[in-house]
Amino acid sequence: DTAVSQTPKYLVTQMGNDKSIKCEQNLGHDTMYWYKQDSKKFLKIMFSYNNKELIINETVPNRFSPKSPDKAHLNLHINSLELGDSAVYFCASSQDLGGANVLTFGAGSRLTVL
Amino acid sequence: GQQVMQIPQYQHVQEGEDFTTYCNSSTTLSNIQWYKQRPGGHPVFLIQLVKSGEVKKQKRLTFQFGEAKKNSSLHITATQTTDVGTYFCAGEGTYKYIFGTGTRLKVLA
Repeated sequence: DTAVSQTPKYLVTQMGNDKSIKCEQNLGHDTMYWYKQDSKKFLKIMFSYNNKELIINETVPNRFSPKSPDKAHLNLHINSLELGDSAVYFCASSQDLGGANVLTFGAGSRLTVL
Repeated sequence: GQQVMQIPQYQHVQEGEDFTTYCNSSTTLSNIQWYKQRPGGHPVFLIQLVKSGEVKKQKRLTFQFGEAKKNSSLHITATQTTDVGTYFCAGEGTYKYIFGTGTRLKVLA
């Protein structure tokens, strides 16, 4: 029973298309995140949601729109895809346990834009 | 903004050799976490350090948090091929963790 699951695992698409990645966690965590990992393996926070409310929105182009229908789900929609959007996108969740906010990551969604 | 750097970026070692990665933050951290990402995998939590000067051990892995709470290190004794992967430190910000640049470890059998 996967704790944080993302779909799809792989996504290959043309420039200019719109695509979505879905994420679900069954851990009962309050906070969910999207991280982007580029080809150099740098992990950068994109968005953070706490109980469905957007908490963190880093300097991400507004082509990226997260949506959290409930605290167990966080989806990422990307409009007008560009070559530079190619990366692995990781969803993660965490629960604040008195100062220990351990992140549990999904398996990642590898996006390739041609 | 807050930056977390790690050195080295890459390290190749012979199996049985020791390995150390260093993590430096531009700001004082309330705590620091370490994660391991196997090739093709996702980051997995290893440990959290909270106190100034704290040292924790997990079998062959030793984690240290600096006295000023701005740096940390991970030392692996007698590396094994199963240690292959990228090791990240992560410093806590507000509602997020800032990940270090990572150190990619290759272990040659």
